Amino acid sequence: KNEVEQSPQNLTAQEGEFITINCSYSVGISALHWLQQHPGGGIVSLFMLSSGKKKHGRLIATINIQEKHSSLHITASHPRDSAVYICAVRSHSNYQLIWGAGTKLIIKP
Amino acid sequence: SQTIHQWPATLVQPVGSPLSLECTVEGTSNPNLYWYRQAAGRGLQLLFYSVGIGQISSEVPQNLSASRPQDRQFILSSKKLLLSDSGFYLCAWSDGQVTEAFFGQGTRLTVV
Repeated sequence: KNEVEQSPQNLTAQEGEFITINCSYSVGISALHWLQQHPGGGIVSLFMLSSGKKKHGRLIATINIQEKHSSLHITASHPRDSAVYICAVRSHSNYQLIWGAGTKLIIKP
Repeated sequence: SQTIHQWPATLVQPVGSPLSLECTVEGTSNPNLYWYRQAAGRGLQLLFYSVGIGQISSEVPQNLSASRPQDRQFILSSKKLLLSDSGFYLCAWSDGQVTEAFFGQGTRLTVV
């Protein structure tokens, strides 16, 4: 079992829909990252969380440390949101990032 | 402010040729440096990490090597590329004291 699991692996939705991507992890962490990877490959850091909730524009990220779970939400989704969204955690025991496999999101107009 | 530079952005190399990808960091000192690879349709896999000059740890056995000749320079190399080396390579750095991580733009390598 992978230490970081994302769901769903693939998600196709219509423009305007509310999107939720989930991330569960099995290790103790000091932080969790949500990242966005576009088709060209470049990676953009969206959020870094250690507790609670963060909001940036139409993106919202939450984390529940006790349940070892985080969610990324996109409100009023748009085709330009189409990308792979990756969850990565920083283990308590070392400085390495443990990556989820990513969620491929396609928003249709 | 801190920035990270990775080049080239894309690269097409023949099988058996050498490889050198370079990553440099500005605006910080003694960063932890990382090389990741993402094969087609798969997640990112840690290849190497470094906590200081000349200190390299390898996560998986492979046809690649890494070097850190200067504090803010991290190089990924191969003497002879294999077809299976094709993929997306990403350099990253972090400050060991905080949990933020910063990423380069990546290099898409195609071995033909």
